[in-house]
Amino acid sequence: GAVVSQHPSWVICKSGTSVKIECRSLDFQATTMFWYRQFPKQSLMLMATSNEGSKATYEQGVEKDKFLINHASLTLSTLTVTSAHPEDSSFYICSARDSGVRNQPQHFGDGTRLSIL
Amino acid sequence: AQSVAQPEDQVNVAEGNPLTVKCTYSVSGNPYLFWYVQYPNRGLQFLLKYITGDNLVKGSYGFEAEFNKSQTSFHLKKPSALVSDSALYFCAVISNAGKSTFGDGTTLTVKP
Repeated sequence: GAVVSQHPSWVICKSGTSVKIECRSLDFQATTMFWYRQFPKQSLMLMATSNEGSKATYEQGVEKDKFLINHASLTLSTLTVTSAHPEDSSFYICSARDSGVRNQPQHFGDGTRLSIL
Repeated sequence: AQSVAQPEDQVNVAEGNPLTVKCTYSVSGNPYLFWYVQYPNRGLQFLLKYITGDNLVKGSYGFEAEFNKSQTSFHLKKPSALVSDSALYFCAVISNAGKSTFGDGTTLTVKP
């Protein structure tokens, strides 16, 4: 089945550091990828929708300059948390659909646990 | 605006007993409905979907879900729960525009 690889799985870094998270579709082309943030025991919060070759669409309240999203190819999207602070600590998950047809499920990466000290 | 409600934050069942995780939705047009499962420190895994056809949908790991149009529900069920089914379950709906909306999740705990 369709596989989404997310890397790294765990990051611990100092406050002020920028962190890049990669999301790759391994066996399909993803014109659209999604980035979510999840707090402990809580639901997914959609941060942005990433479309290959164009600017990401951010949800209301998500800082575009803080969370930089790039979708340079049909198999790779990246999320960069710039100048990260402790309040950015969270579990970040990417997902993708393998076609433009809406009846297909989203395929999720295994998430990245970000801890800012 | 579309929405998904999972009215129970937590569901506890004994191993071997049937389980139900509830989901209701609100969406314009025909709903495309999904269930996903999430294990600790992992992403979500697709369980099953309803697009059209039979109201009872069978999915992975023995799970099934029943689409009820009149009640706008899509409850997840399993006849006999396993301890390994303990996880966080999400219901989702996709709009005509292709946007997914997830419920808040229900933590299922199956006790031996």
